[in-house]
Amino acid sequence: DQQVKQNSPSLSVQEGRISILNCDYTNSMFDYFLWYKKYPAEGPTFLISISSIKDKNEDGRFTVFLNKSAKHLSLHIVPSQPGDSAVYFCAATRNGQNFVFGPGTRLSVLP
Amino acid sequence: EPEVTQTPSHQVTQMGQEVILRCVPISNHLYFYWYRQILGQKVEFLVSFYNNEISEKSEIFDDQFSVERPDGSNFTLKIRSTKLEDSAMYFCASSYTQGPTEKLFFGSGTQLSVL
Repeated sequence: DQQVKQNSPSLSVQEGRISILNCDYTNSMFDYFLWYKKYPAEGPTFLISISSIKDKNEDGRFTVFLNKSAKHLSLHIVPSQPGDSAVYFCAATRNGQNFVFGPGTRLSVLP
Repeated sequence: EPEVTQTPSHQVTQMGQEVILRCVPISNHLYFYWYRQILGQKVEFLVSFYNNEISEKSEIFDDQFSVERPDGSNFTLKIRSTKLEDSAMYFCASSYTQGPTEKLFFGSGTQLSVL
């Protein structure tokens, strides 16, 4: 039962361009969504989050959009930099309990 | 910046042996978690721990697994009799609260290989 899905296992983007990572969820009870970034041999690190009462949250080059009716969120990185190359996990939670992670999307930013 | 630390970074064990994975959460955090990631698969929740007891656990966390906070700083995951399918990267995480907007801080993981 995949409650959080990231249908693109990998994505390649040219440096300076926009990266768009997508995430879909099935559980309408989720009320908080997070993106984590993971480099090889390191644990996931928090990147940005959004509450279900919002449809957009922006932090520097990173913007997360939430479409509740479609149960879809996306992470936009602009401009993309080579250091952004990592695996990005979408995660969802209800009341901060039991974070459910998607399978991840490997982003490669090409110089 | 404070961080979650995990030891060892790699653990190799024979099937049927017991292993203990160790974690030192961030010092003022109150909620502790174990997650795991089998190679090529998603990060999966195992267990959460608060106030010296398990607050939630997943189907993966069966009788072979146990967690303990033996002192004020360490948080351990024990697997009593390891199976081949326990091979994974195990991540410890902690948070200060468990509110609706809380985020988790993860350690760098322990790669467990069961032979």
